[in-house]
Amino acid sequence: NAGVTQTPKFQVLKTGQSMTLQCAQDMNHEYMSWYRQDPGMGLRLIHYSVGAGITDQGEVPNGYNVSRSTTEDFPLRLLSAAPSQTSVYFCASSRWTGNYGYTFGSGTRLTVV
Amino acid sequence: GIQVEQSPPDLILQEGANSTLRCNFSDSVNNLQWFHQNPWGQLINLFYIPSGTKQNGRLSATTVATERYSLLYISSSQTTDSGVYFCAVERVGGATNKLIFGTGTLLAVQP
Repeated sequence: NAGVTQTPKFQVLKTGQSMTLQCAQDMNHEYMSWYRQDPGMGLRLIHYSVGAGITDQGEVPNGYNVSRSTTEDFPLRLLSAAPSQTSVYFCASSRWTGNYGYTFGSGTRLTVV
Repeated sequence: GIQVEQSPPDLILQEGANSTLRCNFSDSVNNLQWFHQNPWGQLINLFYIPSGTKQNGRLSATTVATERYSLLYISSSQTTDSGVYFCAVERVGGATNKLIFGTGTLLAVQP
């Protein structure tokens, strides 16, 4: 039971490059989210999804795109990387009902130079 | 939007000591969770506790929703308790799945 798997763990990009951060969960969770963590600012919500085919914006969506074609996968796309997007990115998933505590992936550390 | 404030911002304990971490929030919530981020960056869900009291080993949490605060108790602290503790909430009437995080309490437990 892998839980939430994020790839890659580390990435260095040049300004203007694009890339996709992968997130997959094997718990059949309806909800999935992307957060970024910057020093002294806690975690901020980028985008989230309540089910396949449904996505919405969080607190800091600019510069990022998401899609949810399956329940299991929720990739995050950086369209044109900027140094301000240097951060640690976390994907999370949770169930719809009951005790829906979040399960987080291990994170992707992204540096944009 | 909803404001989430955690105190203290940082805390140093000797092994074996007890501590209380506080989370205040500015609006009614229907979801409150506590997380521990270990020194390697992994985020672990400790409690889902929108109201009431829960206990898990040396950790317990209490949320008083009507007064808009939650407390996390750590008893007989161990060096493995070190890391950052986050409180996160979802506002009543807000969009589902918008869990907003506080800025955390940095805990260091010394042997």
